[in-house]
Amino acid sequence: DTAVSQTPKYLVTQMGNDKSIKCEQNLGHDTMYWYKQDSKKFLKIMFSYNNKELIINETVPNRFSPKSPDKAHLNLHINSLELGDSAVYFCASRGTSLRETQYFGPGTRLLVL
Amino acid sequence: AQSVTQLGSHVSVSEGALVLLRCNYSSSVPPYLFWYVQYPNQGLQLLLKYTTGATLVKGINGFEAEFKKSETSFHLTKPSAHMSDAAEYFCAVVGVGFGNEKLTFGTGTRLTIIP
Repeated sequence: DTAVSQTPKYLVTQMGNDKSIKCEQNLGHDTMYWYKQDSKKFLKIMFSYNNKELIINETVPNRFSPKSPDKAHLNLHINSLELGDSAVYFCASRGTSLRETQYFGPGTRLLVL
Repeated sequence: AQSVTQLGSHVSVSEGALVLLRCNYSSSVPPYLFWYVQYPNQGLQLLLKYTTGATLVKGINGFEAEFKKSETSFHLTKPSAHMSDAAEYFCAVVGVGFGNEKLTFGTGTRLTIIP
């Protein structure tokens, strides 16, 4: 019974294409995140949503657009993909308090050719 | 703003030896501190966390960490390494205050276990 799931697991695409990554959590959490992990394993937050409202928007190119249709889902759409977008993208969710654990999805490995 | 420094991007220990992974943090407000583990091709999994109370916290798989405010440290230890401990370990901090409500990760430490 997966807590945070992401699809697809792997994504290989050409430069200039548009792609989406989907995330769903069944933990009843209000807060969801997108992180990017680069080739050196560095993890950086991209976006945070609380109950479908954007809370954190780091300095991410506006080619990246998150969408939260309901509090259990947070999708990431990427326009005009570039080589530098190649990374692993993780979705995560958390309960109400900052002291609560963030639960991570298995990641989506994006390779832009 | 908060930050995390993990000393040593790679640590190798022999099976059965002590594991010590270092983490120092910077935060202008009382921090919550976390250690996560990432096995190859997987997501991150919580090992342990410190929020309030006892400064020595125990986590899964025999790991523990001690919050030392005076040293701004939260080092992770395990008395006896096992082959299954080989993974990437991340220390993370979240500052409790307006504008700090995001988890900031260190750069990670890759732990290798020598048979």
